[in-house]
Amino acid sequence: EAGVVQSPRYKIIEKKQPVAFWCNPISGHNTLYWYRQNLGQGPELLIRYENEEAVDDSQLPKDRFSAERLKGVDSTLKIQPAELGDSAVYLCASSLGQEYQETQYFGPGTRLLVL
Amino acid sequence: AQSVTQPDIHITVSEGASLELRCNYSYGATPYLFWYVQSPGQGLQLLLKYFSGDTLVQGIKGFEAEFKRSQSSFNLRKPSVHWSDAAEYFCAVGSNNNDMRFGAGTRLTVKP
Repeated sequence: EAGVVQSPRYKIIEKKQPVAFWCNPISGHNTLYWYRQNLGQGPELLIRYENEEAVDDSQLPKDRFSAERLKGVDSTLKIQPAELGDSAVYLCASSLGQEYQETQYFGPGTRLLVL
Repeated sequence: AQSVTQPDIHITVSEGASLELRCNYSYGATPYLFWYVQSPGQGLQLLLKYFSGDTLVQGIKGFEAEFKRSQSSFNLRKPSVHWSDAAEYFCAVGSNNNDMRFGAGTRLTVKP
């Protein structure tokens, strides 16, 4: 079974430029998560989707970040414009459902460097 | 909201020695507790989880963890460390809606 797929794996951009990350969850997983992991820290949730609905986006900086999950499968996370402080690893995870029993499976992440 | 503290930023152990990674949590209700491992360039992999029942939980790769409610702890242990165990380890506490909060992680170095 294929795991969570993310692309690109690495991205280097200049500040004020836009950037987008793509995630393909495990087939059949209804719940999708985007996390940000700063250097030396654990992941922090940005947004959680249940199918195509964003059920928790309270930690998403909405002035510059946006996300979508069309058709309840793939998801895209966008930053526009990027700032130096956005340099981090962006992790996507998926689970069968959003109940606590459901294990979250993580992708390898996209490492973003903003210069 | 729930929170997790991992007191040790970096631990070094010799190959074959025992390992214990500490985790303390704060949560008002019954906690759901997890340990994940992250190897360089890899995503997080679940080692084990605790929801209820037996407070000693067995996981993959020979790891186990013990839930101690009185100490608000969920420490990870392994009796004999292998060089391939070198990685970053994250403890996490979850709530009913699978909102997980992660600790800052403990980096494990294994000496030959």
